[in-house]
Amino acid sequence: DQQVKQNSPSLSVQEGRISILNCDYTNSMFDYFLWYKKYPAEGPTFLISISSIKDKNEDGRFTVFLNKSAKHLSLHIVPSQPGDSAVYFCAGSHTGANSKLTFGKGITLSVRP
Amino acid sequence: DVKVTQSSRYLVKRTGEKVFLECVQDMDHENMFWYRQDPGLGLRLIYFSYDVKMKEKGDIPEGYSVSREKKERFSLILESASTNQTSMYLCASSLEGRGGGELFFGEGSRLTVL
Repeated sequence: DQQVKQNSPSLSVQEGRISILNCDYTNSMFDYFLWYKKYPAEGPTFLISISSIKDKNEDGRFTVFLNKSAKHLSLHIVPSQPGDSAVYFCAGSHTGANSKLTFGKGITLSVRP
Repeated sequence: DVKVTQSSRYLVKRTGEKVFLECVQDMDHENMFWYRQDPGLGLRLIYFSYDVKMKEKGDIPEGYSVSREKKERFSLILESASTNQTSMYLCASSLEGRGGGELFFGEGSRLTVL
């Protein structure tokens, strides 16, 4: 039972354009969502998060949108840079789960110079 | 800065060997986790621990065990390594009660079982 789904395994965009990475979830108990970025041979690093009481959170070039009714979130990167090329994981958790995160399978983003 | 250190970046073991993967964090975090990452499968939780001597099974605990004798150290043990345990293993830690659940990951241990 895949509770967090990242249905597109890869995305390629031109430098300077917008990257939109999508994520869907099925567990209605989830009330907090996080995005992690991972380079090859390194551990994932936290990128941005959003609580279910919000529908948008912005941090510099990164914005996460949450649509609770659709159980859908998306990460927008504007403008995209070659250094953004990495695997991006979406994760969900719920209060009381004591930080246990459920991850999606990841999306490989390639930003072309 | 939080630092999660995994003892070995790369290991090569033979089928049937006992394997220890060590993880140490320096921020007094209560929670520690072991994940494995495989292409097309994402990050899957093997075991986690909320406190010293506590352990909970994750989604794929079969073939693994863990040990948490000290708060800062969480070890993953493969009692008898098999080729399907060839993977990238990632240790992570987080603070107790953090509803957001932000995890801090180590750099990973790439295990190859021949």
